[in-house]
Amino acid sequence: GEDVEQSLFLSVREGDSSVINCTYTDSSSTYLYWYKQEPGAGLQLLTYIFSNMDMKQDQRLTVLLNKKDKHLSLRIADTQTGDSAIYFCAVLHGSSNTGKLIFGQGTTLQVKP
Amino acid sequence: NAGVTQTPKFQVLKTGQSMTLQCAQDMNHEYMSWYRQDPGMGLRLIHYSVGAGITDQGEVPNGYNVSRSTTEDFPLRLLSAAPSQTSVYFCASRPTGTRARTGELFFGEGSRLTVL
Repeated sequence: GEDVEQSLFLSVREGDSSVINCTYTDSSSTYLYWYKQEPGAGLQLLTYIFSNMDMKQDQRLTVLLNKKDKHLSLRIADTQTGDSAIYFCAVLHGSSNTGKLIFGQGTTLQVKP
Repeated sequence: NAGVTQTPKFQVLKTGQSMTLQCAQDMNHEYMSWYRQDPGMGLRLIHYSVGAGITDQGEVPNGYNVSRSTTEDFPLRLLSAAPSQTSVYFCASRPTGTRARTGELFFGEGSRLTVL
């Protein structure tokens, strides 16, 4: 089946940039997403990128997509303690009507003051 | 709008017991799904539905049943609970058709289940 892989843990200092990486196998994925999960809560969509884009910037967040290598990354500039959470990469397998979201394992971001 | 509402938030079961996790959404979303979250394994799809009366299996369907009699509700039934079903369960929905847009899912807050 389709697969999405992430490293499990990242630790950074407050004010540094964080880069969370993700690789996937489904070359036909049209939408790719980053979700954030705070402790004891559900998942909230942070941002998404359409497959015909290489980069998307949204305030402190930058998403880079390398379709050739099937690699997606999320950069958080000026990381704050409030950014501590689990970040999930997900890809849409199929259409936006009936397709399934395939999730990675989640990367726990620890931000040290 | 309440969004996606899951009940109960916490539940402890004994092995062999059955129960139903409830999921309701008030956004008129056609697509609904259930995931389980386990440490180091991310979210895995259990069952999903593209509309009332239509359900299908996801990646890990064994031991679970679903039904979709209305657009709003998508209950998940555990037939005979096992310790391996200890997990956090998430219900998620999204619109389809002309409202499909980006395919993003909207999640509930989760139901934490422990099977002893």
